Amino acid sequence: EAGVAQSPRYKIIEKRQSVAFWCNPISGHATLYWYQQILGQGPKLLIQFQNNGVVDDSQLPKDRFSAERLKGVDSTLKIQPAKLEDSAVYLCASSLVPSGGSDTQYFGPGTRLTVL
Amino acid sequence: AQSVTQPDIHITVSEGASLELRCNYSYGATPYLFWYVQSPGQGLQLLLKYFSGDTLVQGIKGFEAEFKRSQSSFNLRKPSVHWSDAAEYFCAVVGGSYIPTFGRGTSLIVHP
Repeated sequence: EAGVAQSPRYKIIEKRQSVAFWCNPISGHATLYWYQQILGQGPKLLIQFQNNGVVDDSQLPKDRFSAERLKGVDSTLKIQPAKLEDSAVYLCASSLVPSGGSDTQYFGPGTRLTVL
Repeated sequence: AQSVTQPDIHITVSEGASLELRCNYSYGATPYLFWYVQSPGQGLQLLLKYFSGDTLVQGIKGFEAEFKRSQSSFNLRKPSVHWSDAAEYFCAVVGGSYIPTFGRGTSLIVHP
């Protein structure tokens, strides 16, 4: 079974530029998560999808971040414009059942973003 | 609101020694509790989880964790550490909102 795929693995941009990350979850997984992991910290949930609907986006900085999940399968996370403090690893995860809290999340390798 | 505290930023142990990583949570009821491991350059992998029943949970790679309601703790243990266990370990809690909250992580260093 293929795992969660993310691309690109690394991205370097200058502040005020735009960037997009892509995630393809495990086939059949209903729930998809985007996390931001700043160096030395644990992952922070940005947005949670169930199929193609948003379950929670309370921690997503909506003035610059946006995300969508196309047809309930893969997802993109965009930052526009980027700030220095957006430098982090962006992790995508998926779980099989609709969000219920107890299900195992499967994580992708992450995209490391550096904003100069 | 829920929160997680991992009080130890770094833990150093010798190979073959026992290990305990601490995790304390704050939540009004019994939450779902998880331990994940992250190796350098990789995503997180679930070690074990607890949501009801037996308070001693067995996981992969020889890890176990014990839920103690009275102490609001969910500490991770392993009787004998291998060099390959060197990694970052994260405790996570999910409460009634079903939003996962992760601790800041504990970096495990294993000496030969």
